[in-house]
Amino acid sequence: GAGVSQSPSNKVTEKGKDVELRCDPISGHTALYWYRQSLGQGLEFLIYFQGNSAPDKSGLPSDRFSAERTGGSVSTLTIQRTQQEDSAVYLCASSPGGAGYTFGSGTRLTVV
Amino acid sequence: LAKTTQPISMDSYEGQEVNITCSHNNIATNDYITWYQQFPSQGPRFIIQGYKTKVTNEVASLFIPADRKSSTLSLPRVSLSDTAVYYCLVGDNNNAGNMLTFGGGTRLMVKP
Repeated sequence: GAGVSQSPSNKVTEKGKDVELRCDPISGHTALYWYRQSLGQGLEFLIYFQGNSAPDKSGLPSDRFSAERTGGSVSTLTIQRTQQEDSAVYLCASSPGGAGYTFGSGTRLTVV
Repeated sequence: LAKTTQPISMDSYEGQEVNITCSHNNIATNDYITWYQQFPSQGPRFIIQGYKTKVTNEVASLFIPADRKSSTLSLPRVSLSDTAVYYCLVGDNNNAGNMLTFGGGTRLMVKP
């Protein structure tokens, strides 16, 4: 597609439920990133996929967080047993391998 | 990863030139300097990238001194719509994984 697409744009979930966030990167972009941004804060790196290499999971805050990237394209970020502190905007970005990230508009997650 | 330091916030008035400086004392030989702009409720947007001296595009200019330990993003004649957070990143352009860390950014407020 023309840009990075994320869905849903907004998600409200009850504490303890699992959620899945989806990212469709720009076609042909080999690198895909997930970030988290709390209100008024900077971006917190979560996970990075590059081609067929093992993902860099060093930013995942707990084992409740996981992500997959199928076929080198679409990625899903899963948060299990959500907690209120998980409430944030989750941003996905892709790049062709260099530094020019293109970000999606994010998924605003609210855990109540 | 080269760490970056930016002012937390800056104020300006419409029509003025704004210069935001980023310090990156530990920049490596292969590292590029990249700036992003983020509006509220949107993902960051690539503005400009450079390696040394000066780079100019339709949006901004980037000035990089010979020692490359800092860089200055210059926004000519800002308008109210330039109010945003500006992030400076440093990393190897050929290794997207080295561009993972966004600092807190500089919150620019343009006043009428």
